[in-house]
Amino acid sequence: DSGVTQTPKHLITATGQRVTLRCSPRSGDLSVYWYQQSLDQGLQFLIQYYNGEERAKGNILERFSAQQFPDLHSELNLSSLELGDSALYFCASSLTGTAGEAFFGQGTRLTVV
Amino acid sequence: DAKTTQPTSMDCAEGRAANLPCNHSTISGNEYVYWYRQIHSQGPQYIIHGLKNNETNEMASLIITEDRKSSTLILPHATLRDTAVYYCIVRVAELNTGNQFYFGTGTSLTVIP
Repeated sequence: DSGVTQTPKHLITATGQRVTLRCSPRSGDLSVYWYQQSLDQGLQFLIQYYNGEERAKGNILERFSAQQFPDLHSELNLSSLELGDSALYFCASSLTGTAGEAFFGQGTRLTVV
Repeated sequence: DAKTTQPTSMDCAEGRAANLPCNHSTISGNEYVYWYRQIHSQGPQYIIHGLKNNETNEMASLIITEDRKSSTLILPHATLRDTAVYYCIVRVAELNTGNQFYFGTGTSLTVIP
């Protein structure tokens, strides 16, 4: 158990809908990262937050947005969903966002039908 | 961040040492080498990281060449549970910058009974 909690574990929704994925980082970790992993694809970095502020942005679509709240949990919002958005979405957290390891949650499997 | 090159796949006999190479010839002086693994769609798991010196922990050893252009992850006694995709990542560790982990395609290690 990495200490990072992601909910829900599985999500099935229709095209055009909007969903919210939630991540609770390890206790004390200030930095949160979101990654997308499509079938047979590598892990694609989406966005990083550090202590409530956006720190880095990767290949995140404009239909996707995220935020980190004062209690340090984070949410990834996916809107106008398309079939191609079906993927595993991982959240990771780290203490400072600089050196040191990041701990990954078990992911949310999103299926868009 | 510097790019890494890893073999696509490797096999290793159970009980033998697994040596996974990684090339990072464009690594900068302030970039660390990290190793993660992902077991069948689970969240990636941190293994080890280092800057210049060789490192060892309960999971593995990391050997970094003197010029830092390549490294080797060593699993001393591979078990079937070590079958996974192993990612070598270089990452800058500076405050006030985005410090996301960029995952490449990794090496798919299969431990054979």
